[in-house]
Amino acid sequence: GDSVTQMEGPVTLSEEAFLTINCTYTATGYPSLFWYVQYPGEGLQLLLKATKADDKGSNKGFEATYRKETTSFHLEKGSVQVSDSAVYFCALSEGGYNKLIFGAGTRLAVHP
Amino acid sequence: DAMVIQNPRYQVTQFGKPVTLSCSQTLNHNVMYWYQQKSSQAPKLLFHYYDKDFNNEADTPDNFQSRRPNTSFCFLDIRSPGLGDAAMYLCATSRDAGAYEQYFGPGTRLTVT
Repeated sequence: GDSVTQMEGPVTLSEEAFLTINCTYTATGYPSLFWYVQYPGEGLQLLLKATKADDKGSNKGFEATYRKETTSFHLEKGSVQVSDSAVYFCALSEGGYNKLIFGAGTRLAVHP
Repeated sequence: DAMVIQNPRYQVTQFGKPVTLSCSQTLNHNVMYWYQQKSSQAPKLLFHYYDKDFNNEADTPDNFQSRRPNTSFCFLDIRSPGLGDAAMYLCATSRDAGAYEQYFGPGTRLTVT
């Protein structure tokens, strides 16, 4: 079945460092891809999405490009802030009712 | 603000004692989802409603049931909670089927004693 694999955390960075969180997927069709973020004590929030190959999703300085040839959707940010500390989930959606299949999540801790 | 509300935020129940979790939305979305998220794991879809049509995931235990009496409300019923059902339960909504954003509530953390 469809699945998402993302790099294990925690990822610990200093403020203003470059961030990459790797995400790869397995799907039988052509899924839409998402990054969700979960801040402590809160629900998940959509960070960005891409619906077809070579699309780039971007939001709040974060970017990810849908790479069909490598089945990847890596999350990047050029300069992280302390406020970016959270758990990041990569997910795919396939099928008519928009079922989300999540990766295990990557915890990011940014220190001043 | 339009949002997805879950009550209670924390629920403690005893082993085998039925429990109901509540979700409401002011977004007037057609689709409502229930996810289970165990500690340090990814959320896993239990079931969803498309309008009044209930759709159960194949591996969702029979112990879990759901009701959607109207567009705004959806309930998760656990008939006989076991220790393994302790988790965060997330409700989400989506405007329609297809690649629409899902809006998540803050979750209800269930503890089973």
